Amino acid sequence: AQSVTQLDSQVPVFEEAPVELRCNYSSSVSVYLFWYVQYPNQGLQLLLKYLSGSTLVESINGFEAEFNKSQTSFHLRKPSVHISDTAEYFCAVKNAGNNRKLIWGLGTSLAVNP
Amino acid sequence: DAGVIQSPRHEVTEMGQEVTLRCKPISGHNSLFWYRQTMMRGLELLIYFNNNVPIDDSGMPEDRFSAKMPNASFSTLKIQPSEPRDSAVYFCASTSSGTGADTQYFGPGTRLTVL
Repeated sequence: AQSVTQLDSQVPVFEEAPVELRCNYSSSVSVYLFWYVQYPNQGLQLLLKYLSGSTLVESINGFEAEFNKSQTSFHLRKPSVHISDTAEYFCAVKNAGNNRKLIWGLGTSLAVNP
Repeated sequence: DAGVIQSPRHEVTEMGQEVTLRCKPISGHNSLFWYRQTMMRGLELLIYFNNNVPIDDSGMPEDRFSAKMPNASFSTLKIQPSEPRDSAVYFCASTSSGTGADTQYFGPGTRLTVL
């Protein structure tokens, strides 16, 4: 069975500081990995994903995540956060096959303070 | 593209009443997911459909919950009778079968309050 652990439930940080949101997973098969973001009172939206190829993936708004197979991790980073990055961030894993089901972490609440 | 559409956006009802939540997936998408989100349990997958057929309903809490997808453009999640512990935000998401089949697109959610 697969599982996802987001190691921090809440991460407070000051504006323009760097941030890392941690995600570890367990799986006996090859996986795809995802980070979704949920802004207040909205649905989730894809931030970035790893399917294959380069282990470092980037989003359009400056976030990046690195797939580390040996450590079974997919941590999300941003070198300088903005107030507008305040949101809930979810890590998810999926079998690298036809099964459409995502296994979700419990989420990390990122609060960016001025 | 209109995105995933959910209705109603907010629903307040009394215990024992029937509640029906509705979802219209993105046109051309062939998989549809119903999720429930609460502070205590986070995001839970209730059921998902592929080509209108339920594939995995292991997350449906109990017999009070039922979901249907009569065609590719419409799905319902029904709770009968509703209970206060059903209060949550219910999300619908859809995904395609082609390139990008791995990305789920979420609707804005229905916030359900059962008094």
